[in-house]
Amino acid sequence: GDSVTQMEGPVTLSEEAFLTINCTYTATGYPSLFWYVQYPGEGLQLLLKATKADDKGSNKGFEATYRKETTSFHLEKGSVQVSDSAVYFCALSEGNQGGKLIFGQGTELSVKP
Amino acid sequence: DTAVSQTPKYLVTQMGNDKSIKCEQNLGHDTMYWYKQDSKKFLKIMFSYNNKELIINETVPNRFSPKSPDKAHLNLHINSLELGDSAVYFCASSLEPVYNEQFFGPGTRLTVL
Repeated sequence: GDSVTQMEGPVTLSEEAFLTINCTYTATGYPSLFWYVQYPGEGLQLLLKATKADDKGSNKGFEATYRKETTSFHLEKGSVQVSDSAVYFCALSEGNQGGKLIFGQGTELSVKP
Repeated sequence: DTAVSQTPKYLVTQMGNDKSIKCEQNLGHDTMYWYKQDSKKFLKIMFSYNNKELIINETVPNRFSPKSPDKAHLNLHINSLELGDSAVYFCASSLEPVYNEQFFGPGTRLTVL
């Protein structure tokens, strides 16, 4: 079945450091890919998405490119802030599965001043 | 203007009890979901309804029964609660069941003693 694998956390960075969170997926079809963010004590919010190969999703300085050849959707940000501290989830959704999101295990990011 | 709301936010109860969690969305969406987040933050879909019809049921014990009285509401009733049911339960909604962004509620933390 479909699955998503993320790099393990926690990831601890200093403010203004470069961030990469790796995400790879396994899917039978052509899924849409998502990054969601969960701030402490809150629900998930969509951070960015890409619906087809080579699409780049971007939002709030975060970027991820849908790479079909490597089945990857790595999240990057050039300069992180303390306010970026949260848990980040990579997810996929296939069109023939009723819209369910299949999530990776989440990567906790902690940014220190 | 809360888009997806859940009640209660916290629920503490004894093993064997029956409890319900309510979810409402004011986004005019057709599709609603229940996800379970375990203690390691892993998220897994439980159910999905589209236009009040069940479209996803992910091998969840039949002690869990979702009910959708109308498109804006999806409630989750749990019978005979067990220790392993302790988790955070998230409701979400989307415009349609395919490829659309899902909007999440704030979660209900269920603790079974």
